[in-house]
Amino acid sequence: GQSLEQPSEVTAVEGAIVQINCTYQTSGFYGLSWYQQHDGGAPTFLSYNALDGLEETGRFSSFLSRSDSYGYLLLQELQMKDSASYFCADNTGGFKTIFGAGTRLFVKA
Amino acid sequence: DTEVTQTPKHLVMGMTNKKSLKCEQHMGHRAMYWYKQKAKKPPELMFVYSYEKLSINESVPSRFSPECPNSSLLNLHLHALQPEDSALYLCASSRGLAGSFGELFFGEGSRLTVL
Repeated sequence: GQSLEQPSEVTAVEGAIVQINCTYQTSGFYGLSWYQQHDGGAPTFLSYNALDGLEETGRFSSFLSRSDSYGYLLLQELQMKDSASYFCADNTGGFKTIFGAGTRLFVKA
Repeated sequence: DTEVTQTPKHLVMGMTNKKSLKCEQHMGHRAMYWYKQKAKKPPELMFVYSYEKLSINESVPSRFSPECPNSSLLNLHLHALQPEDSALYLCASSRGLAGSFGELFFGEGSRLTVL
């Protein structure tokens, strides 16, 4: 089977740094993507790790360790607008993207 | 143009109605997808079209019928739906295999309510 596990909720304060972890058990794992979805909105692609290591895009960074079947999304300088759901996803190398259950991030003032 | 456009944004239909959801992208993407998303759940894959041919059907009930008239358009025809089919229906596209670049471009979705 294929599954990706991530915490259901995370709360942090404005200006802080938060890390959302994702562990996966998938056959034929290909790469880890991260998506952001605000309530009522569409999922928006944030980052993709095909190789081990850290990818940085502005305030957001994503990390992958294939040997540990683990990745995380790091959000720095948190802003209120970062309150959203975050999904990790396995691209499986084909057309079928498998999503984790999602982590709801609450940013407090 | 980096948008995936879906219409209608909201749809209410009875169980005997026939309706269609439409999706359009002009990014030259050759793969298009329908996902279903329930509240507080991740998107679930329904169908994938690659080069206008149906590549994946995730055992979706026949009351959902996809159609890809051309490389820019994707439709989802709805007939005899059940109340439990009420959900947000998301269209997405990708440049090729989503695994190659890791990125799906999603539309804003069509929120469907079945009475």
